[in-house]
Amino acid sequence: NAGVTQTPKFQVLKTGQSMTLQCAQDMNHEYMSWYRQDPGMGLRLIHYSVGAGITDQGEVPNGYNVSRSTTEDFPLRLLSAAPSQTSVYFCASSYSSGGRVRDTQYFGPGTRLTVL
Amino acid sequence: GESVGLHLPTLSVQEGDNSIINCAYSNSASDYFIWYKQESGKGPQFIIDIRSNMDKRQGQRVTVLLNKTVKHLSLQIAATQPGDSAVYFCAENINPSGTGRRALTFGSGTRLQVQP
Repeated sequence: NAGVTQTPKFQVLKTGQSMTLQCAQDMNHEYMSWYRQDPGMGLRLIHYSVGAGITDQGEVPNGYNVSRSTTEDFPLRLLSAAPSQTSVYFCASSYSSGGRVRDTQYFGPGTRLTVL
Repeated sequence: GESVGLHLPTLSVQEGDNSIINCAYSNSASDYFIWYKQESGKGPQFIIDIRSNMDKRQGQRVTVLLNKTVKHLSLQIAATQPGDSAVYFCAENINPSGTGRRALTFGSGTRLQVQP
């Protein structure tokens, strides 16, 4: 198993550009989530999904869109990049039941995004 | 504000000593907690978890204690080693979207420095 994979590893954008951060997992996990981590800070939840076709907003959803058309993939879209979105983005997945995480989350290696 | 926080931003210990990292949470409905370790430039790694129906759980050299009365979580690391140097995060299972579907949210982290 590859686990949780994220692409790209690094990205530089100009203000106003859009892009999609890819996340895929091959563990058949129902639950997937996106976090951002600013320097010296903890992880803040952007969006999450408890299964295909279901997405929910986390703590900091503004400026980001997600969709979950398959169990394996959970892409994160930046609609119009802003310097405040400069951060490291982590995707994670887990087993879940009853709409809640029931087991540890596995994290991808992260995407380091810089918005100029 | 965040519902999960930490008392100490940095903890410095001598190699071989025991370490205790604390975490306060404010959501009494949280039913699942995880401790993660994050090394520089890497994604979070699972250390140990505990469900709200337990007070204590032990792993290899690590113990998590949960005090629901005062909403407090702690991570104890026995015989701390230089390889334990990292940032440690606690995470709790809450309902940020109001839909009843829960997600893991993280505290701001504690940096553990192990002196040889």
